[in-house]
Amino acid sequence: DADVTQTPRNRITKTGKRIMLECSQTKGHDRMYWYRQDPGLGLRLIYYSFDVKDINKGEISDGYSVSRQAQAKFSLSLESAIPNQTALYFCATSDATVQETQYFGPGTRLLVL
Amino acid sequence: GESVGLHLPTLSVQEGDNSIINCAYSNSASDYFIWYKQESGKGPQFIIDIRSNMDKRQGQRVTVLLNKTVKHLSLQIAATQPGDSAVYFCARGESSYKLIFGSGTRLLVRP
Repeated sequence: DADVTQTPRNRITKTGKRIMLECSQTKGHDRMYWYRQDPGLGLRLIYYSFDVKDINKGEISDGYSVSRQAQAKFSLSLESAIPNQTALYFCATSDATVQETQYFGPGTRLLVL
Repeated sequence: GESVGLHLPTLSVQEGDNSIINCAYSNSASDYFIWYKQESGKGPQFIIDIRSNMDKRQGQRVTVLLNKTVKHLSLQIAATQPGDSAVYFCARGESSYKLIFGSGTRLLVRP
């Protein structure tokens, strides 16, 4: 969905490095999410944000942090990357009026060596 | 615990045939269900959703059926096309913000 963009699309990094994944949206949605996708495990929620001042942990937040710089921007950081954080990462947004329907970005493929 | 699972990891259909992708869930309190399509190299794309006060909902070439008695959800795609080849995920709403995803079914369309 072109309304939700993610950068970078692909990233290779080394164990112990700090990296940031960025997400921007033009949908005007208040809610933003970060998910991780591993083969055979579907998508799992890392963090979510209801607005700029409301950030919450998801089911697998350990080793990750987030920043909601503006309504349209939500970034995910890996403070010290480890190999088992190799995965596909997706950002999503939703409208407070149709809360459950989430719209996803194209994803970032991360490889931690 | 709550879970959303799929019966088959891969479904192969002939172009032009109808496809049926199934999904089971365990939490009877769920009142919202959604189907996503994920093509290679792309993020999940919303297809159709349904609330628990409905048994059936139709979109363009797609129909979602919800059987609350047996906790079963299905996605039917009419006249399957090569462009329908993708992984399909069902998900249920656990709250206003939390979706619980299944692991996905890969749909392969044979020419």
